[in-house]
Parts: sequence; C-alpha cells; structure tokens
Amino acid sequence: GENVEQHPSTLSVQEGDSAVIKCTYSDSASNYFPWYKQELGKRPQLIIDIRSNVGEKKDQRIAVTLNKTAKHFSLHITETQPEDSAVYFCAASQYNNNDMRFGAGTRLTVKP
Amino acid sequence: ETGVTQSPTHLIKTRGQQVTLRCSSQSGHNTVSWYQQALGQGPQFIFQYYREEENGRGNFPPRFSGLQFPNYSSELNVNALELDDSALYLCASSLRQGSYEQYFGPGTRLTVT
Repeated sequence: GENVEQHPSTLSVQEGDSAVIKCTYSDSASNYFPWYKQELGKRPQLIIDIRSNVGEKKDQRIAVTLNKTAKHFSLHITETQPEDSAVYFCAASQYNNNDMRFGAGTRLTVKP
Repeated sequence: ETGVTQSPTHLIKTRGQQVTLRCSSQSGHNTVSWYQQALGQGPQFIFQYYREEENGRGNFPPRFSGLQFPNYSSELNVNALELDDSALYLCASSLRQGSYEQYFGPGTRLTVT
C-alpha cells in the first residue's frame, strides 16, 4: 500500500520568511495530493491540492509542486504570518480518496 | 450549503464496551470516509462508504464497522473497545463524481479507560 513520509516534523520561521514542507510517496498509482492545515483542537482543513497531471499550483501565498518521477511533492508558504502556525499534513490517494494516506505532520511555528 | 457534522463531540467509554459515532455529510456529498487520528499523528484511513456500501478499508480489524444511510449520513461502530482506540475520530465527505476534494467534520474525541 501507499506510504507517505513528511519532513520536517517541526519548523520554526520568522514572520515574513518562507516555509517549505516536503513529502514523498511510494505508490506510483497515487494521483491526488492534498495538503491540510490543522489548528489545535480543530478539524483538518484543505488548503491546497494538486493532481498528477499538473506540476505546480499556486493560491496566493501558498504553492504546491509535484515531481511524479521522484515521487515527491512540496508545500511552499511565502510571507508567513503568525496565523499560519499550525500542523500541516500532506496526503496521497488515488481517485475518490479511497485509502488516503497521510504524512505524520509538520508543526509550523511562525514567530512574530 | 451545510458542512460536515459529527456527534457526539466527546465520549468516554470503558474497555470492552461498544461505541457508535455519527457523521452527517456535507450537502450534495455522497461519499463518507472515516479516519482515526491518534494524538500527535496524522489521520489513518479506516474505511469509506459510497451508496451504502463499504468501498475500501484500511488496516483496521473487523470490530470497526460502519453504515451509510440513504441520506448519505454514516455511522462508525467499534466493538470490544481497547485502550489504544482512544483517539479523535474524523469523518470526511466528498462528491464521488467530478471532485477529489474531501472535507472533514470536527471529530469525536473518544477516550477509553
């Protein structure tokens, strides 16, 4: 089955700096790669996703890149703000989210 | 459009007991997936329901079972509770056709003592 690894486990940046979180996956059949943000005590919230037919996607300060050959994808947050502080999870699945596998999470802290 | 809801919010059970958790999917969504999230870890896929049938299952024993109803709401049942079942249980709904996105409910925090 699919195995998703996520690095780093913790990340601390200064407000205004960029943050990058990286994930690798094992199953070449995976074709959907979402990123979720989870604040303490709250539900995971979908912040951006990418499908395997696209190499990069951007939404304001957030971007995701996908390298299918190397089986890795990354989340990039620019101009970080204190409210970006949360745990971020990457995930991978095939169509219909059947058996979506999550990374272990990255705790991002943005220091004012 | 209404979001995904779950009940109850919190639950405390004793080892060996049974529990039922409930999930109402987002309006227009016909697929529900259940996840277990242990403290400090990522969600782990339990199973998915589509058209009232199980449509994929993760590495969980048969004492984890579920149902989906005609209105697409769903239940997760866990029998013979073990201490390790203590976790946040999340459901997520998605529209099977045409959209990959799934949206999570607030979760049910289960504590087994």
